[in-house]
Amino acid sequence: AQTVTQSQPEMSVQEAETVTLSCTYDTSESDYYLFWYKQPPSRQMILVIRQEAYKQQNATENRFSVNFQKAAKSFSLKISDSQLGDAAMYFCAYRTPRGNEKLTFGTGTRLTIIP
Amino acid sequence: DVKVTQSSRYLVKRTGEKVFLECVQDMDHENMFWYRQDPGLGLRLIYFSYDVKMKEKGDIPEGYSVSREKKERFSLILESASTNQTSMYLCASITRRAYSPLHFGNGTRLTVT
Repeated sequence: AQTVTQSQPEMSVQEAETVTLSCTYDTSESDYYLFWYKQPPSRQMILVIRQEAYKQQNATENRFSVNFQKAAKSFSLKISDSQLGDAAMYFCAYRTPRGNEKLTFGTGTRLTIIP
Repeated sequence: DVKVTQSSRYLVKRTGEKVFLECVQDMDHENMFWYRQDPGLGLRLIYFSYDVKMKEKGDIPEGYSVSREKKERFSLILESASTNQTSMYLCASITRRAYSPLHFGNGTRLTVT
């Protein structure tokens, strides 16, 4: 069974600085998809970024980028120029390419932005 | 925009009551999910459905059942609510294309007293 591990329950960063949230996963599959979701205090889960395992290039969305290391089964999220609105719970998630299967989530990292 | 709507944002029920949590999505998604979110445990899958009248157990199905009579609606049922089912419940939907993201509802915070 696939597992997703987020080893940092809490992180904090000064506004305008850069922070990296870590995520590792365990799978025997060669093809899969990885996601980072953000859950602000409003509770609405929002997709931040996604990565296809067969793509070598790391995904980037504005201030958010990932460091995908397939051999190490690592999928970290880097947030540049942190803003107060980035304060949230961040969840890493894994999905197989088979369309009828679930997403597996990590336990989350609570990110605090220090003004 | 995809919309996933959960019928209640907050719910308070008594131990032993039968509880229905309703979820409706408007994007014709095949797959729907119920997750439970607890501090330090992340999101744990209760049940999911990949078609009308189809259901699969997730990681923590005990004490729960589900119903999917129509494609757009997926209901979570607590047959006899217990205090250890006090939690945040999140509904989500997704197409069968694996690269597609999950779309979540706003969550129902259930308190069982």
